[in-house]
Amino acid sequence: GENVEQHPSTLSVQEGDSAVIKCTYSDSASNYFPWYKQELGKRPQLIIDIRSNVGEKKDQRIAVTLNKTAKHFSLHITETQPEDSAVYFCAASINTNAGKSTFGDGTTLTVKP
Amino acid sequence: NAGVMQNPRHLVRRRGQEARLRCSPMKGHSHVYWYRQLPEEGLKFMVYLQKENIIDESGMPKERFSAEFPKEGPSILRIQQVVRGDSAAYFCASTDNRVISYNEQFFGPGTRLTVL
Repeated sequence: GENVEQHPSTLSVQEGDSAVIKCTYSDSASNYFPWYKQELGKRPQLIIDIRSNVGEKKDQRIAVTLNKTAKHFSLHITETQPEDSAVYFCAASINTNAGKSTFGDGTTLTVKP
Repeated sequence: NAGVMQNPRHLVRRRGQEARLRCSPMKGHSHVYWYRQLPEEGLKFMVYLQKENIIDESGMPKERFSAEFPKEGPSILRIQQVVRGDSAAYFCASTDNRVISYNEQFFGPGTRLTVL
């Protein structure tokens, strides 16, 4: 089955700096890669996703890149703010027949003011 | 359009009791996924259901755990004879999974199960 690894497990940055979180996946059939943000005690919420036919996607301060050959994808947050502090999860899934998502173990991001 | 609903939000059970967790998917969604999240850990897939069918239960323990998604009503995750190790947050997610759309999953608020 699919295996997703996420690094680092914790990340601390100064407000205004950039943060990068990286994930690798094992199943070359995976074609959908969402990123979720989970604040303490709350539900995971989708912040950005990327399909396998796209190499990069941006949404304001957030961007995601995908390297299908190397089977890795990354989340980039620029100009970080304290409210970006949360746990971030990457996931990989296969679109055919609504396959389950396999999640990384999460990255706890702390943005220091 | 109401989002994914889960109840109860918090559930306390003593060892040996049964826990029933309910999930109502978003309107129009017929696919439900259950995930378990242990404290300070990631989301682990348990089971994927469509109406009246279990599609993939590869992540669900073979004993004590069962899930259903009846034709009418919410999806139910049932844990019999709970043990302390079952204490976790249980999230469900739903998707409409049309052929032309990717399976973006929408999560419910979770049920936090505490086993005393």
